[in-house]
Amino acid sequence: GAVVSQHPSWVICKSGTSVKIECRSLDFQATTMFWYRQFPKQSLMLMATSNEGSKATYEQGVEKDKFLINHASLTLSTLTVTSAHPEDSSFYICSARNLQLAGVRNEQFFGPGTRLTVL
Amino acid sequence: RKEVEQDPGPFNVPEGATVAFNCTYSNSASQSFFWYRQDCRKEPKLLMSVYSSGNEDGRFTAQLNRASQYISLLIRDSKLSDSATYLCVVSNAGGTSYGKLTFGQGTILTVHP
Repeated sequence: GAVVSQHPSWVICKSGTSVKIECRSLDFQATTMFWYRQFPKQSLMLMATSNEGSKATYEQGVEKDKFLINHASLTLSTLTVTSAHPEDSSFYICSARNLQLAGVRNEQFFGPGTRLTVL
Repeated sequence: RKEVEQDPGPFNVPEGATVAFNCTYSNSASQSFFWYRQDCRKEPKLLMSVYSSGNEDGRFTAQLNRASQYISLLIRDSKLSDSATYLCVVSNAGGTSYGKLTFGQGTILTVHP
């Protein structure tokens, strides 16, 4: 149990285009999903917290108009990188909290990540 | 000061060696503590949670010292498959920050034959 998928696993796009990344919890309900970004040789940095049915909470320094997050159901959150530029090239990883385990272990389950390259 | 600090390494050890990783965190309100491992170009995977009483899972032992805000991971009898980046992770509790994970920069371990 507790499987999280991401799609696509990798994407290459031209500068100025928008890219949508999907994060799905496959076998559990996730009221909260998190979006992280990881640049080469650096650790994961939280971008935003996505709560089902409400607006996402963005971390300081993350532009909410550039990184659009939608969490329309308990199993799906999407991150759209709008007008992507080469500096947005990174490894984007989502995670989800299991509703049933929340508060017990505070564990998050990670998706396999999406590698974005903007030319 | 970073919220979670680790020695980035790299640690290069032979098979069978014992290796220890250290981590410190700055927020005394932190409530949950974890060690994750991340293989190259993959997502992090939970290795173990860390409790104040200390906990052991096979060759892995984790310790937490809340007074010193210090976390450790000990790996005994290292295997080649232990080669990875080990991430110290802290979760802050309270209000909207509940469930938010803060990652250390990771410690790279390479186990060689």
